[in-house]
Amino acid sequence: AQSVTQLGSHVSVSEGALVLLRCNYSSSVPPYLFWYVQYPNQGLQLLLKYTTGATLVKGINGFEAEFKKSETSFHLTKPSAHMSDAAEYFCAVSDSGNTGKLIFGQGTTLQVKP
Amino acid sequence: DGGITQSPKYLFRKEGQNVTLSCEQNLNHDAMYWYRQDPGQGLRLIYYSQIVNDFQKGDIAEGYSVSREKKESFPLTVTSAQKNPTAFYLCASSFARGDTQYFGPGTRLTVL
Repeated sequence: AQSVTQLGSHVSVSEGALVLLRCNYSSSVPPYLFWYVQYPNQGLQLLLKYTTGATLVKGINGFEAEFKKSETSFHLTKPSAHMSDAAEYFCAVSDSGNTGKLIFGQGTTLQVKP
Repeated sequence: DGGITQSPKYLFRKEGQNVTLSCEQNLNHDAMYWYRQDPGQGLRLIYYSQIVNDFQKGDIAEGYSVSREKKESFPLTVTSAQKNPTAFYLCASSFARGDTQYFGPGTRLTVL
């Protein structure tokens, strides 16, 4: 069965520091991978996605993620954190079966300190 | 503007009552989904629909029901059989199965 693991339920960085949010997945087929961001009491907003092709994916708000098949990872990074990046981040893999559902990790809350 | 709307934003229910959460999209998407979000548990799929007049149970369908009479609408009913309904409910849609899913703003349901 497919699964997603996000390492670290809470990550704290200083403003201007590197952001690194970790995501590992398991999948028996080439995965479609996603990162979403959620601000308090709001829906999820797509940051970026990987389907096929280039393994370094650029998204909105300066975020990017690299698909590493050998490590089954899809870590999210941003060179310089901004206060507005404080939110909860979810990594997800698209189900390889017929549902089309997304299988989500537990989420990582990013805190940005001034 | 194209998007997904959910209403109401906040909903309070007494134990034993059924409530219906609304989800409407004007993106011309075929597939629609309902997820439940609980703190520290990510999102879990309740029901999904890939086409009008057809829907399937997800991972946690017990105590919930849905209908898909129109392409644009996918309402979710939380019945009195749902043991622990207090949660944040998110509706999503995509062009087709496996495509990128776009989410609505959510409905927070609290059972009093």
